[in-house]
Amino acid sequence: AQSVSQHNHHVILSEAASLELGCNYSYGGTVNLFWYVQYPGQHLQLLLKYFSGDPLVKGIKGFEAEFIKSKFSFNLRKPSVQWSDTAEYFCAHSYSSASKIIFGSGTRLSIRP
Amino acid sequence: DTEVTQTPKHLVMGMTNKKSLKCEQHMGHRAMYWYKQKAKKPPELMFVYSYEKLSINESVPSRFSPECPNSSLLNLHLHALQPEDSALYLCASSQVTGGSTDTQYFGPGTRLTVL
Repeated sequence: AQSVSQHNHHVILSEAASLELGCNYSYGGTVNLFWYVQYPGQHLQLLLKYFSGDPLVKGIKGFEAEFIKSKFSFNLRKPSVQWSDTAEYFCAHSYSSASKIIFGSGTRLSIRP
Repeated sequence: DTEVTQTPKHLVMGMTNKKSLKCEQHMGHRAMYWYKQKAKKPPELMFVYSYEKLSINESVPSRFSPECPNSSLLNLHLHALQPEDSALYLCASSQVTGGSTDTQYFGPGTRLTVL
């Protein structure tokens, strides 16, 4: 069955630290990959998405992610985090035979000011 | 405009009540979705409507009844809910261009508490 794994449940960083959140998916066919963010008390927002082409995807707010097909990974990165990045981050994928997306369990990011 | 609106923001209901959640989008999207999100968990898909027809029901109990009266509106009718149904209910919408590549846009959710 298709699934998405996020390795870190809770990440705590200081401001200006670099960030990398892991995401692995299990599906051998064509996948479409997403990172969503949920700020405290706010709705899910799309950070970035990968459908095809350049495997390094730039998103909003300085985030980027790299699709590595051989590793079934789509890790999220940001070179320097800010306190306002405190949120829950969800990796997700949809696959070619369905119009639904599957979410990972989420990673809570806490930034110390 | 990439906004999906949901009403009400909060809802408290008893186990014998009947209530409805409402979702609206004006982006011309022809797919709409209901998700359930428990605290500290990812959203779980409940229903998918495509061109106003129910296309996916993820084995949701019949006490949840979706309705799509037109391409902009999606309702979720609630009846005889249980306390464990308390959660954040999210609505989303997307284009229908080929299924898997459609980005879903989420509303802010309705926080439901069942007493």
